[in-house]
Amino acid sequence: QKEVEQDPGPLSVPEGAIVSLNCTYSNSAFQYFMWYRQYSRKGPELLMYTYSSGNKEDGRFTAQVDKSSKYISLFIRDSQPSDSATYLCAMTRASGGYQKVTFGTGTKLQVIP
Amino acid sequence: EAQVTQNPRYLITVTGKKLTVTCSQNMNHEYMSWYRQDPGLGLRQIYYSMNVEVTDKGDVPEGYKVSRKEKRNFPLILESPSPNQTSLYFCASYQWVTDTQYFGPGTRLTVL
Repeated sequence: QKEVEQDPGPLSVPEGAIVSLNCTYSNSAFQYFMWYRQYSRKGPELLMYTYSSGNKEDGRFTAQVDKSSKYISLFIRDSQPSDSATYLCAMTRASGGYQKVTFGTGTKLQVIP
Repeated sequence: EAQVTQNPRYLITVTGKKLTVTCSQNMNHEYMSWYRQDPGLGLRQIYYSMNVEVTDKGDVPEGYKVSRKEKRNFPLILESPSPNQTSLYFCASYQWVTDTQYFGPGTRLTVL
């Protein structure tokens, strides 16, 4: 069983829709929870991170963490065609003074104009 | 301009022929990391470095070596490449895991 599970999609939505992207995890030692966006043929870029359970908002993006259920989500409001990309969740755990990062496999999102 | 550069961007080679993929950052970041990305498996960490001369294994280090002799450079070495190392490789640098992380443009490696 993978430590981090993410539905690969693809997920196709109309412009303006609310998008919900999710990951589950099995290791309760994970501390930081992050979401990356990766455009085709590009490296990932960090969108948001959270440390504790609860919600964190940044513009049209909301990251949600539920540590009791080992479940994280990224919500995108008023989705735009420019949001079309692969979204990767990632989580970190402490390892000898370093935060080791484990990524989900990514969900491909297409926003249709 | 803050950036991470990788070279080469594309490489086709044959089994057993040693190769090095270079990675360089201009932000004086302490942390650098190498990942490989494969369909259905996502990004997996190969090696990481917390500073000059400090490196450690990630989740999939077999068949790879790294060195960090200068803060800006973190080359990935494949001493005897095999076909299962065909992949898309990314180098990343950051000051701390939750800071803005800069990924390189990727190196697509094919081992025949």
